[in-house]
Amino acid sequence: AQTVTQSQPEMSVQEAETVTLSCTYDTSESNYYLFWYKQPPSRQMILVIRQEAYKQQNATENRFSVNFQKAAKSFSLKISDSQLGDTAMYFCAFMKHELNRDDKIIFGKGTRLHILP
Amino acid sequence: GAGVSQSPSNKVTEKGKDVELRCDPISGHTALYWYRQSLGQGLEFLIYFQGNSAPDKSGLPSDRFSAERTGGSVSTLTIQRTQQEDSAVYLCASSLWTGGTYGYTFGSGTRLTVV
Repeated sequence: AQTVTQSQPEMSVQEAETVTLSCTYDTSESNYYLFWYKQPPSRQMILVIRQEAYKQQNATENRFSVNFQKAAKSFSLKISDSQLGDTAMYFCAFMKHELNRDDKIIFGKGTRLHILP
Repeated sequence: GAGVSQSPSNKVTEKGKDVELRCDPISGHTALYWYRQSLGQGLEFLIYFQGNSAPDKSGLPSDRFSAERTGGSVSTLTIQRTQQEDSAVYLCASSLWTGGTYGYTFGSGTRLTVV
């Protein structure tokens, strides 16, 4: 069974600084997807960034980037130039790749991120 | 619709009563998922429906929980004889049959409080 571990329950950082959220996972699968989701107080889960395991290049979406280390089973999220609107719970997630369909996503317990003015 | 719609947004019920939570997925999405998020916890998988395949019920915590999806669209999660430990936010999500390309689209959830 796959597991996702986020070792930082809560973090705070000053606005405009860079912050890195850690995530490790355990799987015997060779082909899978990794995600970071953001959940603001509105409860709406928002997909921040995704990474396909077969791609060595780290995914980037504007101020958000990941450091994907497949051998180490590590998938950290870096937020550059943090903004007050980045305050939220962040979940790291894993999904096994299956041909032509989505499998269920396995989530970590989350990191609560506070951006301080 | 434009997004995943869940109703009600909040529900307070007495212990022992049955509740029904509704999810209306994005039109055309073939897969639908239910998750439970307890206070301060991550998302716990409950059940998912994929097209016409038999649902994956492996995450349902007890036989008090059941779900159905009618006509490949709207889904209802039913909790019978509710207990206080059922208090949580219940999130629904849907996705295309695309192998993970876009992840899921989530609704805003139903906050269930059992008193």
